[in-house]
Amino acid sequence: EDQVTQSPEALRLQEGESSSLNCSYTVSGLRGLFWYRQDPGKGPEFLFTLYSAGEEKEKERLKATLTKKESFLHITAPKPEDSATYLCAVQAAKAAGNKLTFGGGTRVLVKP
Amino acid sequence: NAGVTQTPKFQVLKTGQSMTLQCAQDMNHNSMYWYRQDPGMGLRLIYYSASEGTTDKGEVPNGYNVSRLNKREFSLRLESAAPSQTSVYFCASSYPGQGRSGANVLTFGAGSRLTVL
Repeated sequence: EDQVTQSPEALRLQEGESSSLNCSYTVSGLRGLFWYRQDPGKGPEFLFTLYSAGEEKEKERLKATLTKKESFLHITAPKPEDSATYLCAVQAAKAAGNKLTFGGGTRVLVKP
Repeated sequence: NAGVTQTPKFQVLKTGQSMTLQCAQDMNHNSMYWYRQDPGMGLRLIYYSASEGTTDKGEVPNGYNVSRLNKREFSLRLESAAPSQTSVYFCASSYPGQGRSGANVLTFGAGSRLTVL
């Protein structure tokens, strides 16, 4: 069974204080690992897809990396507008209906 | 371009009442999904429809039914609501093979918050 575990559950940062979020996963053949951002009262918004170990992707202050067992989302010099819940999900190579399996998320609060 | 539209946004039910959550997408996606999100539990798949005319159970299907009305619409029905079904429900859609290795990105609606008293 595919499993995704995110840590920490919550993270409080000062503006400009860089940090990393962890996503550990087990999956029978990885088709893709996804990062989403979710603002309160809204649906998840797609950030990145990573396909194989060693791959990295960047978007503004966010950088996602992937190994065979985990992914990290690095937030560099965060701003208050980076406050959100960040969700990690995996898609298995043989996932029925191409469904995603999600972790519990990390709530990030960036204080000015 | 509206993307994925869910109605209603909020609903309060009494135990035993029934209701249907509606979802429509205008991106010509083949696959559609219903997830529920509970604190500390993450997003869990209720039902999905890989293509028009097919539906399958996800992780937590008990107490729910779905209908893929056409390619655009996928509804979720609670026949006899229970307090354990209090949750935020998200509909999503995807088009297979968008990315490398066939990985496909799910696009989510804004959610429907349901409270069962």
